[in-house]
Amino acid sequence: EPEVTQTPSHQVTQMGQEVILRCVPISNHLYFYWYRQILGQKVEFLVSFYNNEISEKSEIFDDQFSVERPDGSNFTLKIRSTKLEDSAMYFCASSVGRGYTFGSGTRLTVV
Amino acid sequence: GENVEQHPSTLSVQEGDSAVIKCTYSDSASNYFPWYKQELGKGPQLIIDIRSNVGEKKDQRIAVTLNKTAKHFSLHITETQPEDSAVYFCAARLTNTGNQFYFGTGTSLTVIP
Repeated sequence: EPEVTQTPSHQVTQMGQEVILRCVPISNHLYFYWYRQILGQKVEFLVSFYNNEISEKSEIFDDQFSVERPDGSNFTLKIRSTKLEDSAMYFCASSVGRGYTFGSGTRLTVV
Repeated sequence: GENVEQHPSTLSVQEGDSAVIKCTYSDSASNYFPWYKQELGKGPQLIIDIRSNVGEKKDQRIAVTLNKTAKHFSLHITETQPEDSAVYFCAARLTNTGNQFYFGTGTSLTVIP
């Protein structure tokens, strides 16, 4: 069964550093998403991406965040200057319509 | 925006018994309600979904019911097995906010052999 692949599975970074989280969505999917889950809290929407541009974003997705689909297969989330409160599980997802397929997530720890 | 509440946060059942997880949503414009199962170390996996024009949907041991008037929907798992142990999330999507999902807080289900 096709999968959404995320790398790395775990990343530790120092506060203020830039991080890039990588995702390879399912090849025939058209919509791409990033969600995050702070430990013990809800899964929260960050951003959706369609037709090479952001289609929606939440209040969480401020100027420190950006997304890119650099080569037609990868989908990346960049956090420019990480803060302690960015520590969370970040999930990438893709879809062709209703339901998403999620990746296994990247656990980001900011120290 | 939408607010999805989910109960209970933890649920333990004996193998073979049924499990029910309930969610409520706040915005009557929500029209699509998926349920996800998340096993340890994995991403959420879609297990069943229901649209707002349907009251019930069943897939083998799993069923989902939707009450639009009361704005609540439930997941029913019958004849539970140890491999059903996982965290289950409900979600809702508004018609007018594209494909963004609003998730519940999750239910940790443990099936005791």
